[in-house]
Amino acid sequence: RKEVEQDPGPFNVPEGATVAFNCTYSNSASQSFFWYRQDCRKEPKLLMSVYSSGNEDGRFTAQLNRASQYISLLIRDSKLSDSATYLCVVNQGFQKLVFGTGTRLLVSP
Amino acid sequence: DTAVSQTPKYLVTQMGNDKSIKCEQNLGHDTMYWYKQDSKKFLKIMFSYNNKELIINETVPNRFSPKSPDKAHLNLHINSLELGDSAVYFCASSQPFGDMGVSGANVLTFGAGSRLTVL
Repeated sequence: RKEVEQDPGPFNVPEGATVAFNCTYSNSASQSFFWYRQDCRKEPKLLMSVYSSGNEDGRFTAQLNRASQYISLLIRDSKLSDSATYLCVVNQGFQKLVFGTGTRLLVSP
Repeated sequence: DTAVSQTPKYLVTQMGNDKSIKCEQNLGHDTMYWYKQDSKKFLKIMFSYNNKELIINETVPNRFSPKSPDKAHLNLHINSLELGDSAVYFCASSQPFGDMGVSGANVLTFGAGSRLTVL
């Protein structure tokens, strides 16, 4: 089993749609979690951290389910500029952040 | 000013050659990393250095040798390049974080990437 798994997509949605991505992780001792965004041919950039109680940043909502070992990202009112690859990232300790393979999102007019 | 800069941005070379990629960060971070992103876009950690000391070495072939002359620099030298080494190599930096992480300290700042093509 991969350490961090994501559906690669692509998810094709129209502007204004709501879309959700899930990510599962295998190491139950992992304690901190993040979503990064990577645009085509660019470097990954932090989108948001994922807190135990769930957290929201504008149109983006992140949730953590420790019992089932999954993390989710919800994007409301999708914009064309949201088109990117979304990377689920898990801190396994000892300075080691493990990245998922990413989920590609395409938002169309 | 670029926070994490790496050079060269593109590198095309023949199998068997030796090449280096340089990385510098001006964020005052103590920890630096090399990640490899292959053709399937999977981003995998290779090395991590904390204040010039190697702390992560993810079973990378010993043809890859990182060097950290000071905490602001982490260079990657690759000997005897193989076709499978073709990838985008990303340098990153962060503040050190504990085993279970501290909010904010886990944030990686990446360089723009160095695309290596081995022919």
